[in-house]
Amino acid sequence: QQQVKQSPQSLIVQKGGISIINCAYENTAFDYFPWYQQFPGKGPALLIAIRPDVSEKKEGRFTISFNKSAKQFSLHIMDSQPGDSATYFCAASRNSGNTPLVFGKGTRLSVIA
Amino acid sequence: GAVVSQHPSWVICKSGTSVKIECRSLDFQATTMFWYRQFPKQSLMLMATSNEGSKATYEQGVEKDKFLINHASLTLSTLTVTSAHPEDSSFYICLGSMNTEAFFGQGTRLTVV
Repeated sequence: QQQVKQSPQSLIVQKGGISIINCAYENTAFDYFPWYQQFPGKGPALLIAIRPDVSEKKEGRFTISFNKSAKQFSLHIMDSQPGDSATYFCAASRNSGNTPLVFGKGTRLSVIA
Repeated sequence: GAVVSQHPSWVICKSGTSVKIECRSLDFQATTMFWYRQFPKQSLMLMATSNEGSKATYEQGVEKDKFLINHASLTLSTLTVTSAHPEDSSFYICLGSMNTEAFFGQGTRLTVV
């Protein structure tokens, strides 16, 4: 059973455009939703995370939008740059610290000039 | 942010040998360590969860006698791949958790020849 569904699998965006990646979760006990960026050959790096007490969080060009009732959250990358080309993973977990992150399948983003 | 140091970053070993991967939490105490495996172009799959001083809990389909996990202290957890085979070639990465925060190690690329 896939607990976190991520789409699209791949995404091509023009430089300067907005990249949007969506995730949906099933477990209503999840209350921590991070996004990770992974470059080839490297481990995932935490990009931005949100908890369900807010509907949006912005850090620089990266914004998470969260819809608790729909059990969906999304990552928006504004003014996308070629350096943003990477694989992005959404994840979810419960807030106990002892529960693992459950990952989406990833989105391969390519930003073209 | 907190750092989890993972070593080695890459290793090549012969079939039948064992490989130990080490994760150290450098500036925090990881009460829980999660071990993930990532095959090329795929997402991170949880292998096992370990809490300091107790036996690891393995996910379904993961052989506990093949993937030995030791979490002897709050700052050190190890994964030993025993009697490695080419199909064990993968990217292994740890995730150290403390309370509500979690931090990845840099990952280990294992190639079994």
